[in-house]
Amino acid sequence: DQQVKQNSPSLSVQEGRISILNCDYTNSMFDYFLWYKKYPAEGPTFLISISSIKDKNEDGRFTVFLNKSAKHLSLHIVPSQPGDSAVYFCAAPREGQGNLIFGKGTKLSVKP
Amino acid sequence: DTAVSQTPKYLVTQMGNDKSIKCEQNLGHDTMYWYKQDSKKFLKIMFSYNNKELIINETVPNRFSPKSPDKAHLNLHINSLELGDSAVYFCASSQRTREQYFGPGTRLTVT
Repeated sequence: DQQVKQNSPSLSVQEGRISILNCDYTNSMFDYFLWYKKYPAEGPTFLISISSIKDKNEDGRFTVFLNKSAKHLSLHIVPSQPGDSAVYFCAAPREGQGNLIFGKGTKLSVKP
Repeated sequence: DTAVSQTPKYLVTQMGNDKSIKCEQNLGHDTMYWYKQDSKKFLKIMFSYNNKELIINETVPNRFSPKSPDKAHLNLHINSLELGDSAVYFCASSQRTREQYFGPGTRLTVT
């Protein structure tokens, strides 16, 4: 059962524009969400997180929005830069445990 | 200074062999994890260790066994390797926070 879903396998945007990556989840007990960024041949790197008691968290060019009623979160990157080209994973900690449940990832390509 | 390191980065071996992947973290974290990224790119938890105690053991074959000699190390031993074990294996660590820090991965190819 895939509790964290990223339905868009890829996204292509122009440099300077906004990138919006989406994530849906099914488990209403999730209380925390994380976004990771992954370059080829490297491990995932923590990017930004959000607690379920908030609806927005911002860190520089990165903002995560959480809509609990829709069980949906999104990562906004603005302005997008070519160096942002990577695979982005949405994740949530399994209830009562520390391990993360990951979405399948979305490959972002930012074109100059 | 590398926070979470894994060795080797690439491992090519034949079916039936036994191999180990090493992981070390210098962050002082108390929990370490092993994840597997399969051919479909899903990242899935295999094991985690907290203060040298196994606290998660997902439904992985018992040919896989984690070994933690101390809090900074969590090694993965794999016996009787099979073709389906080919994947990228990631080690990670965390300290009472939700953020986990990942190693660079070990690409295992079983021929």
